[in-house]
Amino acid sequence: GAVVSQHPSRVICKSGTSVKIECRSLDFQATTMFWYRQFPKQSLMLMATSNEGSKATYEQGVEKDKFLINHASLTLSTLTVTSAHPEDSSFYICSATGTSGRSDTQYFGPGTRLTVL
Amino acid sequence: RKEVEQDPGPFNVPEGATVAFNCTYSNSASQSFFWYRQDCRKEPKLLMSVYSSGNEDGRFTAQLNRASQYISLLIRDSKLSDSATYLCASGGYQKVTFGTGTKLQVIP
Repeated sequence: GAVVSQHPSRVICKSGTSVKIECRSLDFQATTMFWYRQFPKQSLMLMATSNEGSKATYEQGVEKDKFLINHASLTLSTLTVTSAHPEDSSFYICSATGTSGRSDTQYFGPGTRLTVL
Repeated sequence: RKEVEQDPGPFNVPEGATVAFNCTYSNSASQSFFWYRQDCRKEPKLLMSVYSSGNEDGRFTAQLNRASQYISLLIRDSKLSDSATYLCASGGYQKVTFGTGTKLQVIP
């Protein structure tokens, strides 16, 4: 149980384009989903927290107009990187808490490696 | 001061050795504590939650010391497959903060 999927696993795009990443909880209802970013050899950095049906809460320093988050259902959240630039290249990972196991345990998706040329 | 701090390592240990990691947290209000394992270029995977009374899962033992605000992870009889980065995390329901991770390399 507690499986989280992400799509795509890897994406390469040109500077200025937008990229959408999907995060799905496959076997439980995710009341809360989290989006992280991880640069090489650095720790996970929380970008935003989203609760189903409400607006995401962004961490300080994360531009909400650049990183659009939608959590429209209990099993799906999307992160759209708008007008991507090379400095946005990173490993984006979602996680979810919800009806599986302890409500405070986060289960991670496999991540999406974004490369912006 | 970082909210969650870990020694980055690397810890290079021979197979069969016992190794221990510590992690300190600064938020005394934290209620939840976890150890995750992250392999290179992969997502973190939950290794174990850490309970006040301490808990054990096979070769892995986790302890919580609220007075000193640290959690520990003990790995006994290290295997080559234990080589990874170990992340500790603390927080509450809506937010968990991760440490930078401690890298473990088990050597044949």
